[in-house]
Amino acid sequence: GAVVSQHPSWVICKSGTSVKIECRSLDFQATTMFWYRQFPKQSLMLMATSNEGSKATYEQGVEKDKFLINHASLTLSTLTVTSAHPEDSSFYICSARLPTTEAFFGQGTRLTVV
Amino acid sequence: DAKTTQPPSMDCAEGRAANLPCNHSTISGNEYVYWYRQIHSQGPQYIIHGLKNNETNEMASLIITEDRKSSTLILPHATLRDTAVYYCIVRVAHTNAGKSTFGDGTTLTVKP
Repeated sequence: GAVVSQHPSWVICKSGTSVKIECRSLDFQATTMFWYRQFPKQSLMLMATSNEGSKATYEQGVEKDKFLINHASLTLSTLTVTSAHPEDSSFYICSARLPTTEAFFGQGTRLTVV
Repeated sequence: DAKTTQPPSMDCAEGRAANLPCNHSTISGNEYVYWYRQIHSQGPQYIIHGLKNNETNEMASLIITEDRKSSTLILPHATLRDTAVYYCIVRVAHTNAGKSTFGDGTTLTVKP
C-alpha cells in the first residue's frame, strides 16, 4: 500500500511553546488528509479534515486557533499545536488518501508537553 | 456512519485462527465494512473491506452475513505479531475514506 510518513515520531516540548507535526504522502498525491488524536487507552478521535489549497474543517470541540492545519501541497499537511499545555499531550495520527482509494495512516507522533 | 459493536478483548493461541466479530445492525445499503488494526504506539493499518460478499486477501478473510448486520474478521494463522487492537468501521466507500469513526475496537492478544 501507499506510504504516509509523519515527523517527528515523538517530541517533548515545554508548556507554552508551539510544536509542528508533518504528514507526508511519500508515493502519491493526497487531495485530502485527516488528523486524529488518541489519548492513552482510548480510540482515535478525528480532529480535522485537511484539503489541499483550502481551509481545514474542524470537528466539533476542536479549537482551530490552537490546532493550526496547513495543507499547502498535495504531499504535505502540517499540524501545529500552539501554546501547548500538558493536557495536549497525546498521540497524533494523520491519514491521507486519493479520492478513490483507501486511506493510509502515518505512524503517529507522540507529543509530551512538560 | 453506522455504529459498530465489538467485544473489548479476545485471546487466541498462536497458530490458531482468530475470529473477531462485529455487529453493525444499522448499516445502510451503501455502507462498506472496513477493518483496521493498530499495533501498540503505531498508526492504524488497513486490513480488508467488503460490501456484501466475503473477501479474502493476504492478511485476512472477511465474512459478512447475508443480512449484513454483522461480520467476522478471520486471521487464519495468528502470530504473536497480530496482537493489536482491531477496529471494525462501516462507512460509505472510498469517498469518505480516511474520515473514519473509530469505536473502542477489540484488543486481540495472541498467546504462545
